[in-house]
Amino acid sequence: DQQVKQNSPSLSVQEGRISILNCDYTNSMFDYFLWYKKYPAEGPTFLISISSIKDKNEDGRFTVFLNKSAKHLSLHIVPSQPGDSAVYFCAATSSYDKVIFGPGTSLSVIP
Amino acid sequence: GAVVSQHPSRVICKSGTSVKIECRSLDFQATTMFWYRQFPKKSLMLMATSNEGSKATYEQGVEKDKFLINHASLTLSTLTVTSAHPEDSSFYICSARDPGGILADTQYFGPGTRLTVL
Repeated sequence: DQQVKQNSPSLSVQEGRISILNCDYTNSMFDYFLWYKKYPAEGPTFLISISSIKDKNEDGRFTVFLNKSAKHLSLHIVPSQPGDSAVYFCAATSSYDKVIFGPGTSLSVIP
Repeated sequence: GAVVSQHPSRVICKSGTSVKIECRSLDFQATTMFWYRQFPKKSLMLMATSNEGSKATYEQGVEKDKFLINHASLTLSTLTVTSAHPEDSSFYICSARDPGGILADTQYFGPGTRLTVL
């Protein structure tokens, strides 16, 4: 059973608007969450993370929100830019050991 | 949902020995599997692309004689770290492409293998 889910396989957003990528998890032992961005033919690169002791972490245009009670996190990108078009993977880990990845959401930012 | 397993989850070995890591797709057939290595700052480096029934395609800078990849079946790919050295200590993650996935690049990741070379 997938422990990390990204139920939207794809998302299209107009340039300048907000992109919201969602992620749900089932394992309550997860205490650290990460978002990766992946371009075609490249490995995923780390984007932003959040510890379970926080409910929000912001880095420039990227903000991750964590709702522990709902076991849900989201990545907000604002304003969205065409260069943000990529596949975004949500990942979760406990004790900074095994990293469980979601299946990814493909974001297309339309100029 | 699709599941990818890795075995072992942790392995400690002596310098000079070889270690085999298995990656299995449990409920779908994966013609393509990928092997990644996780570096500090959490980025994953693609090491090689493994295609069932053919030789793996290695990324630039990855020694194919050191990191042997075998994709013997549609559900199993193995990575063998030969003559391991302490600098090979890392977190190795595999992923499997689901040909029936909605996205062309739908990949399901394994839980990773922590390799420590003493």
